[in-house]
Amino acid sequence: AQTVTQSQPEMSVQEAETVTLSCTYDTSENNYYLFWYKQPPSRQMILVIRQEAYKQQNATENRFSVNFQKAAKSFSLKISDSQLGDTAMYFCAFGATSGTYKYIFGTGTRLKVLA
Amino acid sequence: DADVTQTPRNRITKTGKRIMLECSQTKGHDRMYWYRQDPGLGLRLIYYSFDVKDINKGEISDGYSVSRQAQAKFSLSLESAIPNQTALYFCATSDPRERGGESDEQFFGPGTRLTVL
Repeated sequence: AQTVTQSQPEMSVQEAETVTLSCTYDTSENNYYLFWYKQPPSRQMILVIRQEAYKQQNATENRFSVNFQKAAKSFSLKISDSQLGDTAMYFCAFGATSGTYKYIFGTGTRLKVLA
Repeated sequence: DADVTQTPRNRITKTGKRIMLECSQTKGHDRMYWYRQDPGLGLRLIYYSFDVKDINKGEISDGYSVSRQAQAKFSLSLESAIPNQTALYFCATSDPRERGGESDEQFFGPGTRLTVL
């Protein structure tokens, strides 16, 4: 069975600094996708970044980038130049569509950006 | 206008009552999902539907049922609500063809906070 683990329940970072959120997963699938979603206090779930497992190049979206280590089954999110608006819960998620559909979320990391 | 809407946004009910949560979308996606979010547990999949005639159980379907009335509408029912069904419920949609790939990015509604007393 697939699992997604986020071992950091809470983190904080000073404004303008860089922070890295960790995520590990376990799967026997070969074709899958990984995602980071953001949930601000408004509770709306918003996609931050995605990574296709077959791509070796790490995904980037403006200040957000990932470090995808397929062999280690690790998928960390780096936020550069942190802003107060980055304060939110961040969820790592795994998706695979071969066979039985699978979409598994981690338990989340609550990030607080300090002024 | 929001692409994925949920009604109601908040609901308080009593044990044993039947509750229906509704979801509508204007994204034209075939795939729709219901999740529940509990503190410390992340989001867990309750049911999903890949088209109007396709309904599948997710990780935690016991105590829930769904109806896909149309491509754009997917309802979640609690036939006899119990307190441990108190949670934040999300509807989501996806289309594997979004962004030219097959990543199945989920597009979420605003959530329904349900409290069962």
